[in-house]
Amino acid sequence: GNSVTQMEGPVTLSEEAFLTINCTYTATGYPSLFWYVQYPGEGLQLLLKATKADDKGSNKGFEATYRKETTSFHLEKGSVQVSDSAVYFCALKGPGAGSYQLTFGKGTKLSVIP
Amino acid sequence: EPEVTQTPSHQVTQMGQEVILRCVPISNHLYFYWYRQILGQKVEFLVSFYNNEISEKSEIFDDQFSVERPDGSNFTLKIRSTKLEDSAMYFCASSLLRDTNNSPLHFGNGTRLTVT
Repeated sequence: GNSVTQMEGPVTLSEEAFLTINCTYTATGYPSLFWYVQYPGEGLQLLLKATKADDKGSNKGFEATYRKETTSFHLEKGSVQVSDSAVYFCALKGPGAGSYQLTFGKGTKLSVIP
Repeated sequence: EPEVTQTPSHQVTQMGQEVILRCVPISNHLYFYWYRQILGQKVEFLVSFYNNEISEKSEIFDDQFSVERPDGSNFTLKIRSTKLEDSAMYFCASSLLRDTNNSPLHFGNGTRLTVT
């Protein structure tokens, strides 16, 4: 079946540091890939997505590139801010699964300190 | 921006009791979902709902679970006889279209269910 593996957290960075959160996946066929973010006290929000190999999703300074050869979708940001402190979830929607469901990773908690 | 709202934010119940988690999806959305996250584990799909029917459900969604859209605005998840292992954060979501690639899911803030 489909699965998503994210790096274990928590991750603590100083403001303006470079961020990478690793995400790898297992799926049949060619899934669509997503990053969701959950700020404290809020629901999950779509951060970015990529629907085919070599696509790059980007939003709010975050980027992730769909790498079919390494089955990865790592999240990166060049300079994090305190306001980026949140839990980040990698997710996929596989062509083999129903069209409705997303498969999520466990989430990685990011804390950015001034 | 319209949002999905869930109530209550935290529900404590005793094992064996029935619990109803409530959600108000975004008003023009047509597809509704429940996910849950047990502490420290992955967010898991439970069920999707469209046109007053369950479209898809996971293995987790057994006979103890049911969903309903009792009126034009609410979408509820009922657990008939709660077990300790039902303790989790339950997220409601909605989307305008079926294809999540082009119609992202909008999630609520979640209801934390604690079964004692």
